[in-house]
Amino acid sequence: DAKTTQPTSMDCAEGRAANLPCNHSTISGNEYVYWYRQIHSQGPQYIIHGLKNNETNEMASLIITEDRKSSTLILPHATLRDTAVYYCIVRVIFGNEKLTFGTGTRLTIIP
Amino acid sequence: EAGVVQSPRYKIIEKKQPVAFWCNPISGHNTLYWYLQNLGQGPELLIRYENEEAVDDSQLPKDRFSAERLKGVDSTLKIQPAELGDSAVYLCASSSTSVGTGELFFGEGSRLTVL
Repeated sequence: DAKTTQPTSMDCAEGRAANLPCNHSTISGNEYVYWYRQIHSQGPQYIIHGLKNNETNEMASLIITEDRKSSTLILPHATLRDTAVYYCIVRVIFGNEKLTFGTGTRLTIIP
Repeated sequence: EAGVVQSPRYKIIEKKQPVAFWCNPISGHNTLYWYLQNLGQGPELLIRYENEEAVDDSQLPKDRFSAERLKGVDSTLKIQPAELGDSAVYLCASSSTSVGTGELFFGEGSRLTVL
């Protein structure tokens, strides 16, 4: 899997949008961008994934640049429960290949 | 629908003792993963199963770690003998090649402390 680069930590005020960036400049054409998060003492949780178009679900939005070398995860109205480590991962979607985690971004939501 | 179930949730043992972790994946998920997570780090894959077959065990320290997935459902990860450096969280995950879009579902993990 291609490597990703994320900031080590970020803070966001409660109720504001949290924008988490990720660089994946060596992404291959058949690799998707996945986002997972891990709340303290829990296993990682799937958030969203995309190939080249912007995606939105009930949890977040994913914006992928046109050249696919970077992306941004957006939590539109952050709550205290969104405090977690967020992992950006690139991966071929089929074949159930492993997820290769980096160290992620530790997001802290400030009351 | 039940998620991935792991047990025990916590385990404290002395070094050189054996330990085993159990995982029950989501019903119908043919792929099962065991990950190791050290404090402050992201999870690292130990082994991946497709049904009963271990298709990627290149990161499993085979001198002391073993795993099995009998009948392609539940799985057990064993460490014998445990060392101090094995203290970590052991995560199990499952996914399906026929349903969904390849996302992995993780259990809550088994936290091992070796004294």
